[in-house]
Amino acid sequence: DIQMTQSPSSLSASVGDRVTITCRASQTISSYLNWYQHKPGKAPKLLIYAASSLQSGVPSRFSGSGSGTDFSLTINNLQPEDFAAYFCQQNYSPPYTFGQGTKLEIK
Amino acid sequence: QVLLQESGPGLVKPSQTLSLTCTVSGGSISSGNYYWIWIRQNQGKGLEWIGYISYSGNTYYNPSLKSRVTMSVDTSKNHFSLKLSSVTAADTAVYFCARENLNYQDSGGYYYRAFDMWGQGTVVTVSS
Repeated sequence: DIQMTQSPSSLSASVGDRVTITCRASQTISSYLNWYQHKPGKAPKLLIYAASSLQSGVPSRFSGSGSGTDFSLTINNLQPEDFAAYFCQQNYSPPYTFGQGTKLEIK
Repeated sequence: QVLLQESGPGLVKPSQTLSLTCTVSGGSISSGNYYWIWIRQNQGKGLEWIGYISYSGNTYYNPSLKSRVTMSVDTSKNHFSLKLSSVTAADTAVYFCARENLNYQDSGGYYYRAFDMWGQGTVVTVSS
């Protein structure tokens, strides 16, 4: 199985900040990497697919980059509604696997 | 707006079979270019992809669970289901159903997939 290592596991930031979350794959996965946001009790939400493509309806302050084994999710100008958990997921080869998640908290 | 909703018992006894259903509303489960997914999240292992089923019944299961998993689809009821047999405490988790969209395409013409719709999840506890 492809292992996805996500960091940091938690992050404190303030409204207006810029934050970056990284995800590393144990082998090359080309651009087969997605990012999701999850708030407690809610359905997870797709933010980024194919490493850098913004899902329809997602604010442009979210962006993704990377290919091969190293990827990142950047959130510019943090808004109050952005404080949530984020996780990456590879779909290069099954079984599809996820990062351990990053909890973004208000400082 | 497509919505997915998981349902099923919240408590299952060890060695028994966990059974969950995901009802899809606002769209047809028979629409092409989608797979229907089960994922679970527990404290120890994080998120775990269980497998998928197509509207025609084709399946692919995570090898780690394959011997215990059965997925089915009922297009007349617009829902799909998960059965996990011989459960233990390790199967205690939040279970999510989701839709995998196979249609994403980049500017180079390559196709990508992603879980674009999810249910809110249902907690299943395995305990006597």
